[in-house]
Amino acid sequence: GENVEQHPSTLSVQEGDSAVIKCTYSDSASNYFPWYKQELGKRPQLIIDIRSNVGEKKDQRIAVTLNKTAKHFSLHITETQPEDSAVYFCAAHGRDSNYQLIWGAGTKLIIKP
Amino acid sequence: SAVISQKPSRDICQRGTSLTIQCQVDSQVTMMFWYRQQPGQSLTLIATANQGSEATYESGFVIDKFPISRPNLTFSTLTVSNMSPEDSSIYLCSVATGEETQYFGPGTRLLVL
Repeated sequence: GENVEQHPSTLSVQEGDSAVIKCTYSDSASNYFPWYKQELGKRPQLIIDIRSNVGEKKDQRIAVTLNKTAKHFSLHITETQPEDSAVYFCAAHGRDSNYQLIWGAGTKLIIKP
Repeated sequence: SAVISQKPSRDICQRGTSLTIQCQVDSQVTMMFWYRQQPGQSLTLIATANQGSEATYESGFVIDKFPISRPNLTFSTLTVSNMSPEDSSIYLCSVATGEETQYFGPGTRLLVL
């Protein structure tokens, strides 16, 4: 079945440095790729998403890139801040999956002061 | 995005009992989903709540254990039946408003003793 792999499982970066989280999907028909941030004890919140007709999307310090040929997409956070500490989930939506999302395992991002 | 509420926010239940979780949205939505999230884990889809018809369950989840209702386009319930300690988890509802993007409710923390 459809699968999304996410790496790394834990990422520790110095405050001010950049963080990159990568996901690989298996279904070449997938056409929508959201990223969610989940702070401890809170609900997952959508932070950025990208569709298959776009290669890159940016929103302030956050960017997502998509490589359809290689079937992978990445989240880039620049100038990291303590409030970026959270668990980040990637997901992929298949063309025929009736709005369902296939989720990555999550990456715990730790920002060191 | 839609405003989503869940009740109860948390509960402690005895094994063998049942708990019904409510999910209310402030606007009509196309799709509603129920997820389970174990501590430190990713999101596991339980079922898609279909308005006016039976829910669509994912592998490993059955209607007798997790009956779901969706009487209209703004409300759904998930019942966790005949609970055991293994059912202790966070239960999240999410909605999709016509596109693939999902928005999550605040979650229900369930502890079964």
